[in-house]
Amino acid sequence: EDQVTQSPEALRLQEGESSSLNCSYTVSGLRGLFWYRQDPGKGPEFLFTLYSAGEEKEKERLKATLTKKESFLHITAPKPEDSATYLCATGDSNYQLIWGAGTKLIIKP
Amino acid sequence: DSGVTQTPKHLITATGQRVTLRCSPRSGDLSVYWYQQSLDQGLQFLIQYYNGEERAKGNILERFSAQQFPDLHSELNLSSLELGDSALYFCASSVGQGYEQFFGPGTRLTVL
Repeated sequence: EDQVTQSPEALRLQEGESSSLNCSYTVSGLRGLFWYRQDPGKGPEFLFTLYSAGEEKEKERLKATLTKKESFLHITAPKPEDSATYLCATGDSNYQLIWGAGTKLIIKP
Repeated sequence: DSGVTQTPKHLITATGQRVTLRCSPRSGDLSVYWYQQSLDQGLQFLIQYYNGEERAKGNILERFSAQQFPDLHSELNLSSLELGDSALYFCASSVGQGYEQFFGPGTRLTVL
């Protein structure tokens, strides 16, 4: 069964303390790995798409990487405004997105 | 701003009533998706349309229905509302199937 699992469920960091969020997936043929950021009460905001193992993409303090079984979202020197829930998703054989439950990131000043 | 618009932003209604949520996709996007997100829960996929045709169904209740019009905007109809239907309803759009989806700001539905 196609599945996406994110860990940890929640992560509390001090401002400036770098870390990584994990997204592991089991799908029969990867059709894109997508990262989103969601603030409370708002729609998810698209961040990155990764298609091939070894691919990396960066945006400000965020860098997403992809292996054959998982993706990491690295956050370098985070600021309080990076606090949000980070979601990952991947496409299944019917081109529907399978969503992880998300990681709630809290950055304390 | 993702380019996806949703109206209304907030909706308060009573049990047993019917409401319609509206979504306009990004210019050029042919696919529209509807999601439900209850408090502190994950995104639940409801239904997808592509260029006017229904393409996929998720956990959508029989009391719920949707359609996509020739101008590509979409409406989600919720009827015989129950307290448990209170949630955020998001619309997303994409160029086609399997591509990144862009989300609207959502409609917050409260059923009293």
